[in-house]
Amino acid sequence: AQSVTQLDSQVPVFEEAPVELRCNYSSSVSVYLFWYVQYPNQGLQLLLKYLSGSTLVKGINGFEAEFNKSQTSFHLRKPSVHISDTAEYFCAVSGRGSYIPTFGRGTSLIVHP
Amino acid sequence: GAVVSQHPSRVICKSGTSVKIECRSLDFQATTMFWYRQFPKQSLMLMATSNEGSKATYEQGVEKDKFLINHASLTLSTLTVTSAHPEDSSFYICSARVREGPGETQYFGPGTRLLVL
Repeated sequence: AQSVTQLDSQVPVFEEAPVELRCNYSSSVSVYLFWYVQYPNQGLQLLLKYLSGSTLVKGINGFEAEFNKSQTSFHLRKPSVHISDTAEYFCAVSGRGSYIPTFGRGTSLIVHP
Repeated sequence: GAVVSQHPSRVICKSGTSVKIECRSLDFQATTMFWYRQFPKQSLMLMATSNEGSKATYEQGVEKDKFLINHASLTLSTLTVTSAHPEDSSFYICSARVREGPGETQYFGPGTRLLVL
């Protein structure tokens, strides 16, 4: 079984500032990691994913994340945020043998002008 | 990425009526789809796994007689909320999984907002 912890329920930041949304996981098997974004009253959109290969993963909208196996983390970063990045961000993990992902509780990113 | 659609996007119904929500994979075939429920300011709660041509697998605590799932084709799964009550009001989201490399990725529909009066 896997579990995901998103420690920050809310992250306020000013426009054009860098941001990091934290995600830690636990699993007894090899993992696949995902970040999704949800805008108000919409479904989830895949931002990026780690399935194998390079531990630094680049996604859409200028976001990237790094898989750190020793720290069991998959933090999401963006060097300069826009107002339009204001949304809810979910980290998810699935594992070999059970591909149904487990979701974190979400982090609300609030970008102020 | 793969595209998943849902219909309707929003529905308001009277208590006691049934509501059907459709989930379609538009550019790929999905033998397995998933139905989630999301309460305000909370994460997604997996309700059931929908398998094409066979019975759905429900998560613990989900009433299978209330939430009927049918997956009759490789591109369509439906969720019917039977005899809906106000406590069934929620945001329902479906997803379909796509095999990619060594793992699988889930692609989500836009969601359906259900309000039961």
